[in-house]
Amino acid sequence: SQTIHQWPATLVQPVGSPLSLECTVEGTSNPNLYWYRQAAGRGLQLLFYSVGIGQISSEVPQNLSASRPQDRQFILSSKKLLLSDSGFYLCAWSLSRNEQFFGPGTRLTVL
Amino acid sequence: QKEVEQNSGPLSVPEGAIASLNCTYSDRGSQSFFWYRQYSGKSPELIMFIYSNGDKEDGRFTAQLNKASQYVSLLIRDSQPSDSATYLCAVKYGNKLVFGAGTILRVKS
Repeated sequence: SQTIHQWPATLVQPVGSPLSLECTVEGTSNPNLYWYRQAAGRGLQLLFYSVGIGQISSEVPQNLSASRPQDRQFILSSKKLLLSDSGFYLCAWSLSRNEQFFGPGTRLTVL
Repeated sequence: QKEVEQNSGPLSVPEGAIASLNCTYSDRGSQSFFWYRQYSGKSPELIMFIYSNGDKEDGRFTAQLNKASQYVSLLIRDSQPSDSATYLCAVKYGNKLVFGAGTILRVKS
């Protein structure tokens, strides 16, 4: 069966510091991968999605970036965090079928 | 702009009652619709999906789709306190899902 991992689970970072969040999927090949952010009390905002290695589509202009160095690995990065980057970051995967499945998430607090 | 609208709630129902959650969407061409449940502090969990007009039942859950009215709903029969959560409606556009803001459901024992 498929499993999706995210780490770290929680992170507290100062403004201006860099960020790297990692997501890996097990038990499947060539998945579509997604990064979402959920601000407190808000809905899910799609940040990036990828249909293959090195293929990244950005949905919202911001100071974040994403990379997919391997088939089942998706990384979210920032060079300098802003206060507004705080939130719950969720990675998800899907195959050619429609359903998306979410990882456990990373809760980021920027102080 | 693809939009998915949900009443934020909270929707309060007594234990054992039917909870009815509703969602409307803006793009008439949408073909795939999903309901996710999100407990506080946790990630969303897929509970139902529906592609065709009509009803789809899975245990205590029934998803209803009316493409002509651009309306999708989720019914939860015999509601339990453990059903208390935020329910997210999602509509598929291409490779992406667009989510509503969610409806908070509270089941009172």
